[in-house]
Amino acid sequence: DTEVTQTPKHLVMGMTNKKSLKCEQHMGHRAMYWYKQKAKKPPELMFVYSYEKLSINESVPSRFSPECPNSSLLNLHLHALQPEDSALYLCASRRTAMNTEAFFGQGTRLTVV
Amino acid sequence: GENVEQHPSTLSVQEGDSAVIKCTYSDSASNYFPWYKQELGKRPQLIIDIRSNVGEKKDQRIAVTLNKTAKHFSLHITETQPEDSAVYFCAASRAGAQKLVFGQGTRLTINP
Repeated sequence: DTEVTQTPKHLVMGMTNKKSLKCEQHMGHRAMYWYKQKAKKPPELMFVYSYEKLSINESVPSRFSPECPNSSLLNLHLHALQPEDSALYLCASRRTAMNTEAFFGQGTRLTVV
Repeated sequence: GENVEQHPSTLSVQEGDSAVIKCTYSDSASNYFPWYKQELGKRPQLIIDIRSNVGEKKDQRIAVTLNKTAKHFSLHITETQPEDSAVYFCAASRAGAQKLVFGQGTRLTINP
C-alpha cells in the first residue's frame, strides 16, 4: 500500500464553520506533512509532524490547528477561515523526515464562502 | 534558508521532441533533489530523484543531471508524449532537514 488517503475530496465551508481534514497512511511513515497549494503555485509547507510530534509550524495562523493522533493519522482542524484560505490542501508522508521520497495524498479542495 | 529557482515557467514542445527544465538552488548543503509531476487536479507524484553523490540518473525517457559546483540540476524528458503534459516541480532538501523546498513549477505542454 503506497497510498496517502485524504478526506473529504471537496469541502465548502462558511467563515463561522468548524471542519476537519483527515489524512491516513499505512506505509509505516513517521513524518507527515500538511501543505497548502494555490492555483498555479507550488505546494507551500504548513506543518511537519515527526514521530507524532509537531516539529515545524511555518507561522501558520491559529485558525488552522493540526493534530497527529497516531503514526497513521493526521488531521487539520479548521475554524473561522477566510475566503483567501480557499486552496488545495495536500497531506504528504515520508519514511522519515530526512531526504526520502514524499508521497502526496490527492488533496482536499477547500472553498471558504 | 534554501531557495530554489526553476525555469522556464512554461514550455511547449512538439510531440517526440525533448524537453529540459532547469533548477538552481542556493544552499550548498542540499543533497536531495526530487522532481514531481502534477497533472491538472491531481496530486504531485515523484517521477525521479537524485542525491548529491550522483551526477546523473536515468529512468527510461526521464533523466536528471546534477552539477553540485554550479548548484543546478535539470530534468530531461526525451521522446515526449501527450501524457507528459503537466506541471513539473523541482525541489531540494538539505541533509538533516525536514523541509522540501519547491521551485515555482514549469507548465509543460506537448503539442501533437
